[in-house]
Amino acid sequence: KAGVTQTPRYLIKTRGQQVTLSCSPISGHRSVSWYQQTPGQGLQFLFEYFSETQRNKGNFPGRFSGRQFSNSRSEMNVSTLELGDSALYLCASSLGHGSGASYEQYFGPGTRLTVT
Amino acid sequence: DAKTTQPNSMESNEEEPVHLPCNHSTISGTDYIHWYRQLPSQGPEYVIHGLTSNVNNRMASLAIAEDRKSSTLILHRATLRDAAVYYCILRDVPGKLIFGQGTTLQVKP
Repeated sequence: KAGVTQTPRYLIKTRGQQVTLSCSPISGHRSVSWYQQTPGQGLQFLFEYFSETQRNKGNFPGRFSGRQFSNSRSEMNVSTLELGDSALYLCASSLGHGSGASYEQYFGPGTRLTVT
Repeated sequence: DAKTTQPNSMESNEEEPVHLPCNHSTISGTDYIHWYRQLPSQGPEYVIHGLTSNVNNRMASLAIAEDRKSSTLILHRATLRDAAVYYCILRDVPGKLIFGQGTTLQVKP
């Protein structure tokens, strides 16, 4: 079974621009979560989508948004990019949501975003 | 979100067992204990999880204290490939992992 895929793998943008990152979950997985990883802040939870609905959200400004499609694929968008948005953006998928605090997450390789 | 405390770093010799501790004194009854690891230049990887009882899988064992205020991840025979940052995470909400700083494990040949 193919793993979580993320596109693009690397991206360079300029301050003020916007960017869209894509995530394809493992086949059959319906939950997709997004994380930001920086050297200073470590791994931080952005948001989670299940059945095309945002179920959880982390402490990030409204410039960070996402969505999930009916095939469970997900995109996240960052508008008005700032230098501090330079990070590795990781997507993770899991089988379910519900009472599944036990469900493990499977991570993709990430998208490395550099803002200049 | 409940917090965990882990040592910043640990060292191990190859082919020896490794015990990675985690303290979580404020754990609630519904918190699952999850362990993930992140190898260099890769996304995090699920290792193991448990609620109350000790757990074993092909990668590791998880020993949970009777009062659930601490747990230990056990790698039975460390290999060089096990060198990574190991994260102990308490989770009561689906879809959301709150990562701490983790323990950087160095494995010496």
